[in-house]
Amino acid sequence: GAVVSQHPSRVICKSGTSVKIECRSLDFQATTMFWYRQFPKQSLMLMATSNEGSKATYEQGVEKDKFLINHASLTLSTLTVTSAHPEDSSFYICSARDKQGRGEQFFGPGTRLTVL
Amino acid sequence: AQSVTQPDIHITVSEGASLELRCNYSYGATPYLFWYVQSPGQGLQLLLKYFSGDTLVQGIKGFEAEFKRSQSSFNLRKPSVHWSDAAEYFCAVGVEDNFGNEKLTFGTGTRLTIIP
Repeated sequence: GAVVSQHPSRVICKSGTSVKIECRSLDFQATTMFWYRQFPKQSLMLMATSNEGSKATYEQGVEKDKFLINHASLTLSTLTVTSAHPEDSSFYICSARDKQGRGEQFFGPGTRLTVL
Repeated sequence: AQSVTQPDIHITVSEGASLELRCNYSYGATPYLFWYVQSPGQGLQLLLKYFSGDTLVQGIKGFEAEFKRSQSSFNLRKPSVHWSDAAEYFCAVGVEDNFGNEKLTFGTGTRLTIIP
């Protein structure tokens, strides 16, 4: 149980286009979802936290207008990278938790974004 | 603000040998501590966690970790590694934000290589 999927697993796009990444909890209801960004050989950096039905809370330094997060249902959250540029190339990982507050986060396999 | 340090970027161990991965944290109160493993193409998997109580925590796959408050450490150990343990290992500290959500701050990771 507690499986989180991401789609796509890998995407290559041209500079200036927008890319949408989906994160789904397959066998539980994810009250809270998190989006992370991981650069090569570096740690996961939390970008934002979203609770179902509420606006996402962004970490300091993360542009909310560039990284649009929608958590419209208890099993789906999307991250849209708008007007992507090469510096947005990274590994994006989502995680989900079945409750607010405290509890284990279950991680998706990640999405590799390459912007040309 | 909390922080996590993993001093070893890369460790190589012979199969069957013992393993210890170091983790130090900085946080004003008693932290919630986690160890995750990341294998290529897979999401982060929780190995073990410390919330309170017994400072020696047992996890999956034969791993254990010991919380030492005096040293601000939470080192991961395994008495005998297997080739399948080769992966990236992340230590993390969990802290509640103002909205009651527990958020994770990760270390930079330690890559474990197993040699025959």
